Amino acid sequence: DAGVTQSPTHLIKTRGQHVTLRCSPISGHKSVSWYQQVLGQGPQFIFQYYEKEERGRGNFPDRFSARQFPNYSSELNVNALLLGDSALYLCASSLALSEAFFGQGTRLTVV
Amino acid sequence: AQSVTQPDIHITVSEGASLELRCNYSYGATPYLFWYVQSPGQGLQLLLKYFSGDTLVQGIKGFEAEFKRSQSSFNLRKPSVHWSDAAEYFCALSQGAQKLVFGQGTRLTINP
Repeated sequence: DAGVTQSPTHLIKTRGQHVTLRCSPISGHKSVSWYQQVLGQGPQFIFQYYEKEERGRGNFPDRFSARQFPNYSSELNVNALLLGDSALYLCASSLALSEAFFGQGTRLTVV
Repeated sequence: AQSVTQPDIHITVSEGASLELRCNYSYGATPYLFWYVQSPGQGLQLLLKYFSGDTLVQGIKGFEAEFKRSQSSFNLRKPSVHWSDAAEYFCALSQGAQKLVFGQGTRLTINP
């Protein structure tokens, strides 16, 4: 069975640009969450979506947004990129109140 | 506020030696607790989880962890480490379905 898949794996953007990161959950999982992991730190919660509705938001600016599609895949969008947005962005899916399964992440570099 | 503290940023042990990674948490109720492992540039793999019941939980790769409510701790242990265990280890608690709060991580180095 396919795990959580994220695309792209690596991305380089310029300050001020916009970026879209994509995530496909494990088949049957209806919940998707996004995390930002800056080098040397633990992941920080950004968003959670369940059944296409936002169920939680972390302490991130409005430049960060996300959505979940009818097939439960998800996109994370970041506008007006800053150097500090450089990080590994992790997507996780879950069946219910259980363990989260993480994808391999998208490494975003802002230059 | 909910938080997770991993006091040791970096630990080095010899191959074959025992291992204990510390994790302390702050949470108003009984938390759901997790240990994840991350290899360089990779995503997170779940080692084990504690939801309720037996306070000693067994995980994959020979790891175990013990939940101690009185000490607000959830330490990870392995009796004999292998070179392949070298990685970053994260303790996390759940505030509700999938909203995880992570510690800063402990980097484990294995000496041959």
